[in-house]
Amino acid sequence: SQQGEEDPQALSIQEGENATMNCSYKTSINNLQWYRQNSGRGLVHLILIRSNEREKHSGRLRVTLDTSKKSSSLLITASRAADTASYFCATIMSGSEKLVFGKGTKLTVNP
Amino acid sequence: ETGVTQTPRHLVMGMTNKKSLKCEQHLGHNAMYWYKQSAKKPLELMFVYNFKEQTENNSVPSRFSPECPNSSHLFLHLHTLQPEDSALYLCASSQVIRTDTQYFGPGTRLTVL
Repeated sequence: SQQGEEDPQALSIQEGENATMNCSYKTSINNLQWYRQNSGRGLVHLILIRSNEREKHSGRLRVTLDTSKKSSSLLITASRAADTASYFCATIMSGSEKLVFGKGTKLTVNP
Repeated sequence: ETGVTQTPRHLVMGMTNKKSLKCEQHLGHNAMYWYKQSAKKPLELMFVYNFKEQTENNSVPSRFSPECPNSSHLFLHLHTLQPEDSALYLCASSQVIRTDTQYFGPGTRLTVL
């Protein structure tokens, strides 16, 4: 069953703008991960945030985690055309070994 | 790209064919995974192997048969598939089976005629 659900499903912005994507999940988790997928290719891991962390940064990426609301957000600052891709959140539920993915947010950054 | 390679990258097969997908990881990881990605559906976990032993079969039909001869190689044998099995099949690996980052291969785009 689907654990994470991204919002919005699609997002179109201009180069230089910030992009924010949200992820909601249903049950307790060990960690939450964000992945990027360019069209028809494999997924690339972006960032992992553990359940006891609230915020994490990696370059132009900022991820927050609110376990009380069971939600996470991914912020991409100063977006570039090369950021155009689908972004997925994935969670490992407590007591499970399975990484469960959402349907993703399709981000388009227009030059 | 990421230390995980998949072959072939594209495969077209008839419903009566038998074919195999191959995945190899060069990262020294202990766990390997097969996923199926269909249009407009979430990525679906199919199989999990940890130290060559299968630990998860996510109710996958028997026309998909995995094989893991060692921690670096993973195969998916395909037999009498259906058109709805057409999808992108992704292989991934991780150092440990639980809580860890997964590294994905580029995928095999499968079309079943």
